[in-house]
Amino acid sequence: GQQLNQSPQSMFIQEGEDVSMNCTSSSIFNTWLWYKQEPGEGPVLLIALYKAGELTSNGRLTAQFGITRKDSFLNISASIPSDVGIYFCAGQEDGGANSKLTFGKGITLSVRP
Amino acid sequence: NAGVTQTPKFQVLKTGQSMTLQCAQDMNHEYMSWYRQDPGMGLRLIHYSVGAGITDQGEVPNGYNVSRSTTEDFPLRLLSAAPSQTSVYFCASSYVGGGYGYTFGSGTRLTVV
Repeated sequence: GQQLNQSPQSMFIQEGEDVSMNCTSSSIFNTWLWYKQEPGEGPVLLIALYKAGELTSNGRLTAQFGITRKDSFLNISASIPSDVGIYFCAGQEDGGANSKLTFGKGITLSVRP
Repeated sequence: NAGVTQTPKFQVLKTGQSMTLQCAQDMNHEYMSWYRQDPGMGLRLIHYSVGAGITDQGEVPNGYNVSRSTTEDFPLRLLSAAPSQTSVYFCASSYVGGGYGYTFGSGTRLTVV
């Protein structure tokens, strides 16, 4: 089946630093999504991308839909302690009602004060 | 607007017992799905539904049953619990097949002893 690759599994940064994550696939996706999961909660949608090359921001978060449609990137600027959590990428092949999301395994982000 | 509600929050079962994890959404979403989350494995799709009366298997369906008699509810049944089913279970819903982003519940942490 399709797989989305996120690495490394964990990242440790200092408060105030920027951090970038990427997500790659061997398959083409027409929608890319980024989620954040905090401890004890379900994932929450951060950013959705629908067009190749699209760059979208949500506060300090910026995500891009790769030109090849096989990758996506998430950047967090000026990190703060509340940025800790697991960041998942997800992709959808097409917009049909029966089209499922494929999730990456997630990157656990730790922010040192 | 409650979103996606999962009950119970925590559950301990003995091997061989059966139980139902409840999921309800009040957003009139056609698409609902169940995932399990295990360390290092990310989110794996168990079953999904594109509308009342329609269900289909995901990546890891064995040992689980679902039904969708109403738009709002999508219960997950464990037929005979096994230690391998110890996991955190998430229900998610969406208007279409995920391209507009799933809304996740807060999860059920299940331990099978």
